[in-house]
Amino acid sequence: DTEVTQTPKHLVMGMTNKKSLKCEQHMGHRAMYWYKQKAKKPPELMFVYSYEKLSINESVPSRFSPECPNSSLLNLHLHALQPEDSALYLCASSQDPVSSYEQYFGPGTRLTVT
Amino acid sequence: AQRVTQPEKLLSVFKGAPVELKCNYSYSGSPELFWYVQYSRQRLQLLLRHISRESIKGFTADLNKGETSFHLKKPFAQEEDSAMYYCAFYNNAGNMLTFGGGTRLMVKP
Repeated sequence: DTEVTQTPKHLVMGMTNKKSLKCEQHMGHRAMYWYKQKAKKPPELMFVYSYEKLSINESVPSRFSPECPNSSLLNLHLHALQPEDSALYLCASSQDPVSSYEQYFGPGTRLTVT
Repeated sequence: AQRVTQPEKLLSVFKGAPVELKCNYSYSGSPELFWYVQYSRQRLQLLLRHISRESIKGFTADLNKGETSFHLKKPFAQEEDSAMYYCAFYNNAGNMLTFGGGTRLMVKP
């Protein structure tokens, strides 16, 4: 399996909801990433996990809570989001943190906050 | 701070014409630069890296330290090259990729 998978593909949630995004890879990669991408903009890094530990948090609001239960799985828990958080959320992985120049991206979850 | 700039949001050429997607960087050291591509309805993927000096799908990119540029070139564009192209800077101190703003390439028949 050489792909990064993300579920769900689409998510619509209210500002009071709690939801989670899921990312999975079975390539044995030990670094995983969450990005946020607004329309017609480049991906913006949110979080980096290295060997299942959070190594980078790019000053992301606490309403976004990442979790890495094991080396293959990465979650992003969402709570009390704002409409401006609507975006495409991309997950990526790389062989290890040092190889983060070559990242494998998932197809993304398109999130709409109403 | 390290930064990559792609001055053109949109580049439109005819099939068979040469293509040059511009990327400029600001960094005082030796940068590690990459081009990523996103075709319609496909995921973002690595196209090529400057250290390999390889040609992928006919595209090449040369690092020019004097001009602080890493332009992506192809001598004869094909319709299937139409996509979003991102220049990316690799920060090896933080093990992070920083993407430029992106250029959408449209190759017309």
